[in-house]
Amino acid sequence: DTAVSQTPKYLVTQMGNDKSIKCEQNLGHDTMYWYKQDSKKFLKIMFSYNNKELIINETVPNRFSPKSPDKAHLNLHINSLELGDSAVYFCASSQEGSVFRETQYFGPGTRLLVL
Amino acid sequence: SQQGEEDPQALSIQEGENATMNCSYKTSINNLQWYRQNSGRGLVHLILIRSNEREKHSGRLRVTLDTSKKSSSLLITASRAADTASYFCAPHEGAQKLVFGQGTRLTINP
Repeated sequence: DTAVSQTPKYLVTQMGNDKSIKCEQNLGHDTMYWYKQDSKKFLKIMFSYNNKELIINETVPNRFSPKSPDKAHLNLHINSLELGDSAVYFCASSQEGSVFRETQYFGPGTRLLVL
Repeated sequence: SQQGEEDPQALSIQEGENATMNCSYKTSINNLQWYRQNSGRGLVHLILIRSNEREKHSGRLRVTLDTSKKSSSLLITASRAADTASYFCAPHEGAQKLVFGQGTRLTINP
């Protein structure tokens, strides 16, 4: 069974468009994350939510807006896409309050290409 | 938060040989984690070593931690083709944020 899933897997779009990436986890975790991995493979955290509340917000353009309708979902909406947004976006989750809380479980990634 | 720096950036060995990857960091940590990323996939947690531990084993993986040198190493013994992947370390200070480096790209040649 899929633990952390993301849709879509691939996303090709034009500059200036608005797009969303969805993430769902069925692990019962209460913390979820979005990461961006660039072409040089650096993986950088963008946002973290705990029980639907934003707890980490790195220096990310406000064109990026995360939304957590419930603790099993964390979606990422991107407005006015730019060429530099092309990357692989990973969702992850972890369980706060557990001895394993430091361990994060990653989704398969969404490959975004902005043309 | 701090970023772990993996070394070497790339490593290519023959199947059956041992692979050693290193990680350095800058400030004190609660634990350090190693993750693997297969090509085109998400990261998979391999092992976590706490700051009061010096060595930890999991199957063919052996992780060491030297807090005085602020470094860790990941040893994969008897490597297999399926071990081909990128390996990332993530020093963890206790906040929920993990900061990853660029990783070590390991290639196992048949």
